[in-house]
Amino acid sequence: RKEVEQDPGPFNVPEGATVAFNCTYSNSASQSFFWYRQDCRKEPKLLMSVYSSGNEDGRFTAQLNRASQYISLLIRDSKLSDSATYLCVVTQGDNFNKFYFGSGTKLNVKP
Amino acid sequence: NAGVTQTPKFQVLKTGQSMTLQCAQDMNHEYMSWYRQDPGMGLRLIHYSVGAGITDQGEVPNGYNVSRSTTEDFPLRLLSAAPSQTSVYFCASRTTGHEQYFGPGTRLTVT
Repeated sequence: RKEVEQDPGPFNVPEGATVAFNCTYSNSASQSFFWYRQDCRKEPKLLMSVYSSGNEDGRFTAQLNRASQYISLLIRDSKLSDSATYLCVVTQGDNFNKFYFGSGTKLNVKP
Repeated sequence: NAGVTQTPKFQVLKTGQSMTLQCAQDMNHEYMSWYRQDPGMGLRLIHYSVGAGITDQGEVPNGYNVSRSTTEDFPLRLLSAAPSQTSVYFCASRTTGHEQYFGPGTRLTVT
């Protein structure tokens, strides 16, 4: 079983749409959670950390459900520039030096 | 600042050859890591370092060696290349915070 699982997509949405991605993780001891963004053939870059109380950064909202071991990312008012692959990342239990990456969810925002 | 740099960008090796992928960062980060990214697999941790002189294994360390003689440099050595090591390799660094900064990657093909 993979440590982190994501729906690979692709999610094809029109500009202005709201889209949500989910991610599940297997280790209940994981302590830190993140969403990274990866453009085609580029390196991943941090989009946002995910906090227990949920957090928002502009059009992006991240939620954590520890009981069900899933993380979500909501993107409102999608822009063409949001087209990318979104990677869910969790730490290996309480080892903050080891990170598990999901295989990513691809988003295509169409005009 | 250049951030995290990796060389070479592309490399083709024959089975059994050895080589070193270079990684350097100029942000004085303590933590550095090497990942490989394969289609449908997400990024997987190969080795990581928590400071000069200290390294440890990640999820997929077999066939790779690392050393960390300085804070800036973290080379990855392929001992005897195999076709299964065909992948995109990313080096990353971070401070005590959790945001990882990735280099642009090395695309390696082993024939």
